[in-house]
This record gives sequence, structure tokens and C-alpha cells, in this order.
Amino acid sequence: DPKIIQKPKYLVAVTGSEKILICEQYLGHNAMYWYRQSAKKPLEFMFSYSYQKLMDNQTASSRFQPQSSKKNHLDLQITALKPDDSATYFCASSQEADWGYTLYFGAGTRLSVL
Amino acid sequence: GDSVTQTEGQVALSEEDFLTIHCNYSASGYPTLFWYVQYPGEGPQLLFRASRDKEKGSSRGFEATYDKGTTSFHLRKASVQESDSAVYYCALSDLNSGGSNAKLTFGKGTKLSVKS
Repeated sequence: DPKIIQKPKYLVAVTGSEKILICEQYLGHNAMYWYRQSAKKPLEFMFSYSYQKLMDNQTASSRFQPQSSKKNHLDLQITALKPDDSATYFCASSQEADWGYTLYFGAGTRLSVL
Repeated sequence: GDSVTQTEGQVALSEEDFLTIHCNYSASGYPTLFWYVQYPGEGPQLLFRASRDKEKGSSRGFEATYDKGTTSFHLRKASVQESDSAVYYCALSDLNSGGSNAKLTFGKGTKLSVKS
């Protein structure tokens, strides 16, 4: 059974709309992250959360907002969607945000913006 | 900023062939280097890592040696199997550049296809 669940697996949206990508992890980890992978760029770090607090934000646009309602949840809200936002978004987690802990990835949500 | 270059975008081999995927990095500090593998429909998963010059990482028959002199971390396997077909990513994390265990810089990935 997958330990990091991302929903939905595929998502199609129209330009200007808003979507929420869901991530739940059942590994008992305290740190969670979002990465993005597009056709033009390799996997890119977006955010890191530790104990439900934002640790690092490498996303230039405020249209991307992570939301952590529970310790094992880190959703990603994207507003005013643009075609350039089309990518696969990966949620990941680790036991702690500190050095030496292995990063585990979910299977991703593939977003297409038309 | 930090960067990782994987020379091969795609590699096609037959079973029992020798595999080399080249990875070169650029970092201001002394990074930790990683190899991740991604199977179809799954997220990337860690193969192994290395943190010091000349350190060898290995797993499932794959290995790579950290070479600070040539800034390389090439992935090798002596005899590939069809089940090794996947995308392989080289990555680094540099504490001196504000990196952490989870804030990785990835290469573009190399798609390995192995036919029986």
C-alpha cells in the first residue's frame, strides 16, 4: 500500500481557475515537502514544512500556497492557474527535516492547464 | 547556483550489458550526492547517497563513487536486467548553499530501457 497518497492522480484545469492538490502521508514523518517536475525543467524543490510550520519556500509566486491542516497532511493550493503551471507535482516526506533523513516521494499529481 | 548535469537523456541496453550513466555537478560547497530511481507510475526513490570524496554508494548492484576532483558521481552496473528499466536521477544537496537533506537539486534524469 502506498504510504504517501496524492490525490488526484490526474487533473485538468482551465486557465485562471484554482485547484487543490492533496497529500497525506502515513509514515509517521514530521517533515513534508512539495516538488515540481515539468517538461522543461528537472525536479524542483518548492516548499518544506516541519511540524506543520513552513521552513523553506523556493516558489517565487504567491499563487502557490501549501496548507497543513493536520500533521500528516500537506495540500497545495494553486490559484489563477496558467498553462506554464502544467507539471507533475510530487509530495514528499522525511522523518525529520534535518540532515541524514531519507526523502520519500508520493506518485505525483499530473496537472494540465488548458 | 548549484547544478547537476546528466549527459545521457536516454540509454537503451540489452540484458547483461554494462551500464554507465554520467553525472557531473557544480556546487560552491561540499555537497552530498544522491542517485534516485523512478519507476513508471511511482515517485522517485533513493538508491543511495555519498557524502565524502572517494566514498562509494551502492544498492541493488548499482554503484557510484564520489569524485571531488572531477566533480562526478557516475552510476554503474555490471549487468543490467529488464527490471532495471526506469528513470535515474542524480541529485545533490549542499548545506553551504542553504540545502538540506530534503532540498535537493536534481539532474534532468536518464531513461534506461533494457530489453530481454
